[in-house]
Amino acid sequence: DQQVKQNSPSLSVQEGRISILNCDYTNSMFDYFLWYKKYPAEGPTFLISISSIKDKNEDGRFTVFLNKSAKHLSLHIVPSQPGDSAVYFCAADGGSQGNLIFGKGTKLSVKP
Amino acid sequence: NAGVTQTPKFQVLKTGQSMTLQCAQDMNHNSMYWYRQDPGMGLRLIYYSASEGTTDKGEVPNGYNVSRLNKREFSLRLESAAPSQTSVYFCASSAGGTTSYGYTFGSGTRLTVV
Repeated sequence: DQQVKQNSPSLSVQEGRISILNCDYTNSMFDYFLWYKKYPAEGPTFLISISSIKDKNEDGRFTVFLNKSAKHLSLHIVPSQPGDSAVYFCAADGGSQGNLIFGKGTKLSVKP
Repeated sequence: NAGVTQTPKFQVLKTGQSMTLQCAQDMNHNSMYWYRQDPGMGLRLIYYSASEGTTDKGEVPNGYNVSRLNKREFSLRLESAAPSQTSVYFCASSAGGTTSYGYTFGSGTRLTVV
């Protein structure tokens, strides 16, 4: 059973507009939620995270929102740029071992 | 500052052959991980090592073995490769415990089993 779900396999957005990537989770015990970005032929790289005790975290063009009652988080990218085109993975960190549980990813395409 | 280094980057094996994927980190991290990435499946944990001297199974351990050689190195071995093990393999490391920065990943090993 998937604990972290990204239900949209792909998203296409026009340059300059907002990109919204969504993620749902089932376990209310997760401590942190993270977003990773992955380009082809490279490893995933950390983008932004949010603690379970917060509802928003912002870093430049990237903002992550957490809705604990809905067990839902989203990543907003404003404005979107062609270089943002990548696969974005949502992940949850909930254990003493620090094991991350990943969603299946959403492929973002930003059109010039 | 190399971070996490994986070797080789590419490998083609015949069914039944064995090989070891190497991973080393230079960040003095306690924990290391092996993931595989398949289309539509995301990143799935194969094995992890919370600290030097310990290893544990992840979500998809069948067909694999691991060795935490020392604090820096964590290898993944395929004893008898199968076509189902065709995948991209990522090694990662972390300081351990809950962290807001998660893992640092290597650049991956693309393995094809024919």
